[in-house]
Amino acid sequence: EPEVTQTPSHQVTQMGQEVILRCVPISNHLYFYWYRQILGQKVEFLVSFYNNEISEKSEIFDDQFSVERPDGSNFTLKIRSTKLEDSAMYFCASSELGGAAYEQYFGPGTRLTVT
Amino acid sequence: RKEVEQDPGPFNVPEGATVAFNCTYSNSASQSFFWYRQDCRKEPKLLMSVYSSGNEDGRFTAQLNRASQYISLLIRDSKLSDSATYLCVAREAGNTPLVFGKGTRLSVIA
Repeated sequence: EPEVTQTPSHQVTQMGQEVILRCVPISNHLYFYWYRQILGQKVEFLVSFYNNEISEKSEIFDDQFSVERPDGSNFTLKIRSTKLEDSAMYFCASSELGGAAYEQYFGPGTRLTVT
Repeated sequence: RKEVEQDPGPFNVPEGATVAFNCTYSNSASQSFFWYRQDCRKEPKLLMSVYSSGNEDGRFTAQLNRASQYISLLIRDSKLSDSATYLCVAREAGNTPLVFGKGTRLSVIA
C-alpha cells in the first residue's frame, strides 16, 4: 500500500538554527499539507500546497516557515530560525484531487526538538 | 473561529464494554467529518468518515447531527487494541485543511 514517508524521524537542533523537514507524498497525490502537534496538544494545520504554490496557510505559518517541492517527489518544510516553541511533531499529509470526502494520508512524523 | 471540542477523557473501560465519544464543531461551513485514531507518538490514521445518515463499520458507529453541530462515535465490544486517542475532525469543502479536536484517550483494560 502506498504511504507518505518523512525524514528524519527525530531532529534535534539548537535555537536559532535552520531545519529542513522532508516528506515524500504518495506519488499520484496532488495536494500536500504540513501539520504540527505540540506534545499533549491537538494537531494543528500549518500549510497546504497545490500546483507548486501555497494554497492556504494558518496564522502559525509565519515568515520563519517556508515550503518547497524541489523535485517531483519531495515536499519540504523549512524553519529558518528555530525557537524553543517550535518543538513538536511535524506531520506531512497528502491527498488526491477531487471527490467528496477523500482522505488525507499522514506520514509517520518528524519529532523536532529545539534546545 | 473554527474549533472542534471533545470530551477530555480519559475513558478507562473493561474489555467488552460499549463506550461513546462526543464532539461538537463551531464552524457551520464544515461539510466533511471524520474520526481518526492516534496511537501514542504516532500519526493520525483515519478510522471512519461520518455521514449525515449515520454509518457503521463493524463495532464502530458514527453519527452526525448537523442542526446541533454534534458528532458521536460508539465503540461496541471494546478490545484491548482499541486503546488509543480518538480525534474528531471537521473540514470545509474539498481539499481544505482538517480541523482536529484535542482527542479523547481510551484505555481498554483486561
